Amino acid sequence: QQQVKQSPQSLIVQKGGISIINCAYENTAFDYFPWYQQFPGKGPALLIAIRPDVSEKKEGRFTISFNKSAKQFSLHIMDSQPGDSATYFCAASNQGGSEKLVFGKGTKLTVNP
Amino acid sequence: DVKVTQSSRYLVKRTGEKVFLECVQDMDHENMFWYRQDPGLGLRLIYFSYDVKMKEKGDIPEGYSVSREKKERFSLILESASTNQTSMYLCASSPWGLAGTTSSTDTQYFGPGTRLTVL
Repeated sequence: QQQVKQSPQSLIVQKGGISIINCAYENTAFDYFPWYQQFPGKGPALLIAIRPDVSEKKEGRFTISFNKSAKQFSLHIMDSQPGDSATYFCAASNQGGSEKLVFGKGTKLTVNP
Repeated sequence: DVKVTQSSRYLVKRTGEKVFLECVQDMDHENMFWYRQDPGLGLRLIYFSYDVKMKEKGDIPEGYSVSREKKERFSLILESASTNQTSMYLCASSPWGLAGTTSSTDTQYFGPGTRLTVL
């Protein structure tokens, strides 16, 4: 019930392509879904987040798509760049009940020039 | 900007040593967290704290303890380090009272991590 399943584990995309990372959850009480980006040697940093009252949120080249009925959400990176190469983590929390985030296991994205 | 700092970027210790990892945040956040990060396992919560002198176990607390004597500082203690505690350790902080907030940026902010090697 507390798991967040993330796929794929690794992803290789050509420069200019679209990167898509998917996450699924079971706990219907989750009401906050952030994505974190982590570069080698750094801590994860908040990239973009969504709440379930909207189905999509876009910030620049990054978009979260949220499907409440399917209990799935995904990160789309448009026009992927080599500088986007990093590990991406999805997460979820029930902010009405806990301050804790449940993280997916991460996706290592490589964008080839 | 939120700033979370960790006392060491790299640390090498011997089996059986007592190890202290320190974390300091400058945003007056109530919540602080310790995670370990291992390849293929993602981020796993060790301990967290809602307030000074308050702590709760996370998913993998065995072999670890924590201390929070001041609001801005959260310490992770390995009482007797073992080789299976070789890992990247990440500290995070967040504001309390996220229930009902509409802000998407009221979330956890991470430090740069401490790479601990236990020989």
